[in-house]
Amino acid sequence: ETGVTQTPRHLVMGMTNKKSLKCEQHLGHNAMYWYKQSAKKPLELMFVYNFKEQTENNSVPSRFSPECPNSSHLFLHLHTLQPEDSALYLCASSQEGVQPQHFGDGTRLSIL
Amino acid sequence: GENVEQHPSTLSVQEGDSAVIKCTYSDSASNYFPWYKQELGKGPQLIIDIRSNVGEKKDQRIAVTLNKTAKHFSLHITETQPEDSAVYFCAASMRDNFNKFYFGSGTKLNVKP
Repeated sequence: ETGVTQTPRHLVMGMTNKKSLKCEQHLGHNAMYWYKQSAKKPLELMFVYNFKEQTENNSVPSRFSPECPNSSHLFLHLHTLQPEDSALYLCASSQEGVQPQHFGDGTRLSIL
Repeated sequence: GENVEQHPSTLSVQEGDSAVIKCTYSDSASNYFPWYKQELGKGPQLIIDIRSNVGEKKDQRIAVTLNKTAKHFSLHITETQPEDSAVYFCAASMRDNFNKFYFGSGTKLNVKP
């Protein structure tokens, strides 16, 4: 039990589909993150939310749309994805200040 | 921005031996350095971290050292066991942007029984 739960664990979708990834943290943290993890590459930060406000968008294409309705929940809405978007998408949370980030187990996304 | 380099990309050791993974960073403003372990099918899990006001930190078989002058930090695992086999990531973050972690590209550690 990591304290950060991601659903679904696996997702296969076509390029024209619309789907959403969900993340929930049970740690009382006030910052949440989306990362993309591709083979043999460093973790790529996509979005950061502090107290539900987006504070970082790391030049992510608009086909990825984040949503943070409260400090415990984070969504990543997907539409019109490309094959190169196939990857493991990780959610993390942390407390304010210089504190470690706690990761979920990710959603393995495959684009057909 | 910050650039973190990690070496080696793969490391194979015999059970009971020590393993050392090294990272360098470019921005002297970085002041927090966590290490994560990622097992197959799981997300990264924090195993140890160090702040810039400390040169070394130990937790049982795991230790991390930091050399601020040279801008490098290392993970040391002693008496390795097969369950230590995983991918290890280093990261750096800085006081002014504590939300942004810059990750190394990972080291795949294989401990042979």
